[in-house]
Amino acid sequence: DAGVTQSPTHLIKTRGQHVTLRCSPISGHKSVSWYQQVLGQGPQFIFQYYEKEERGRGNFPDRFSARQFPNYSSELNVNALLLGDSALYLCASSRWDGTEAFFGQGTRLTVV
Amino acid sequence: GQQLNQSPQSMFIQEGEDVSMNCTSSSIFNTWLWYKQDPGEGPVLLIALYKAGELTSNGRLTAQFGITRKDSFLNISASIPSDVGIYFCAGTYNTDKLIFGTGTRLQVFP
Repeated sequence: DAGVTQSPTHLIKTRGQHVTLRCSPISGHKSVSWYQQVLGQGPQFIFQYYEKEERGRGNFPDRFSARQFPNYSSELNVNALLLGDSALYLCASSRWDGTEAFFGQGTRLTVV
Repeated sequence: GQQLNQSPQSMFIQEGEDVSMNCTSSSIFNTWLWYKQDPGEGPVLLIALYKAGELTSNGRLTAQFGITRKDSFLNISASIPSDVGIYFCAGTYNTDKLIFGTGTRLQVFP
């Protein structure tokens, strides 16, 4: 079975631009969460979606938004990019309750 | 953002040695997870713990859910070179988000 897949793997954007990151969960998993990991730190929770509804939101500005589609895939959108948004963005899927989360390989976003 | 305290921050050990690391929180959790992350990759789930006092093994790895529900421990026995990486603990209470630790960087020398 395929694991969690994220695209793209690497991305370079300019300050002020917008970015969309994509995630496909493990087949049968209905919950998708997004995390931001800056260098040298553990991942920080951004959003959780379950059955297309937002179940939780971390301490991130409104420039960050996400959605989940009927096939349970998800997109993370970030507007008005700042240099500080440079990080590894991780998507995790779980069956339904958010625990035993399995992570994708991440999208490395660099804002210049 | 909130992070759990993990110690030690880094470890340099010889192949064959045992390793112990721990994670503490100021609040209680009902689930503890341990992950390993290689450079440029996403975290890989090693062990999940769901009950205070629970002791769970996965090959050479053993983890325990602390009785106070505010801490967890990971042991690696007979370390090998492929154990190199960063180990993260993560806890959750109401299952909507994982709170991660600061990480323990493990180096294994032959």
